[in-house]
Amino acid sequence: RKEVEQDPGPFNVPEGATVAFNCTYSNSASQSFFWYRQDCRKEPKLLMSVYSSGNEDGRFTAQLNRASQYISLLIRDSKLSDSATYLCVIHNFNKFYFGSGTKLNVKP
Amino acid sequence: DVKVTQSSRYLVKRTGEKVFLECVQDMDHENMFWYRQDPGLGLRLIYFSYDVKMKEKGDIPEGYSVSREKKERFSLILESASTNQTSMYLCASREGRGSYEQYFGPGTRLTVT
Repeated sequence: RKEVEQDPGPFNVPEGATVAFNCTYSNSASQSFFWYRQDCRKEPKLLMSVYSSGNEDGRFTAQLNRASQYISLLIRDSKLSDSATYLCVIHNFNKFYFGSGTKLNVKP
Repeated sequence: DVKVTQSSRYLVKRTGEKVFLECVQDMDHENMFWYRQDPGLGLRLIYFSYDVKMKEKGDIPEGYSVSREKKERFSLILESASTNQTSMYLCASREGRGSYEQYFGPGTRLTVT
């Protein structure tokens, strides 16, 4: 079983839409959680950490549900520039586990 | 800004060749990582290092070795390249305790023919 699973998408949404991605993880002892963004043919970059109480950064909201072992990312008012692949990352016992990513296409 | 550089953007090697991938970071980070990224599989950890001369196996170390003689440099070695090692290789660094953010290099697209 994979440590981290994501729906690969693609999610095709119009500009201005709200879109949400989920990511499930298998190890209930996982310690820290993150969303990274990867543009086409570029390296991944940290988008935001995910805190137990949920956290927001502008149009982006991340949430953690430890009971059901998933994290989510909500993007409001989507922009064309949000088009990218979003990677879910889990930190366990000194290792980082990456999901295979969810591709988002925001259309005009 | 943290900068992580990798020695080559694209590399083509023949089966059986020894391949060296170099990674250098300029922010005095303690931790460094090598991943490979394949479609549908995401990033998979090959090796990581928490300090100079220290190394730990990741999830897919077979066929690879690493070297960290200096803090800023982490090398990935393919002892005898095989076609199933054709992939995108990404190096990352992390400050260490208290910070989880990883900074990635631009990647090396390796093709083994």
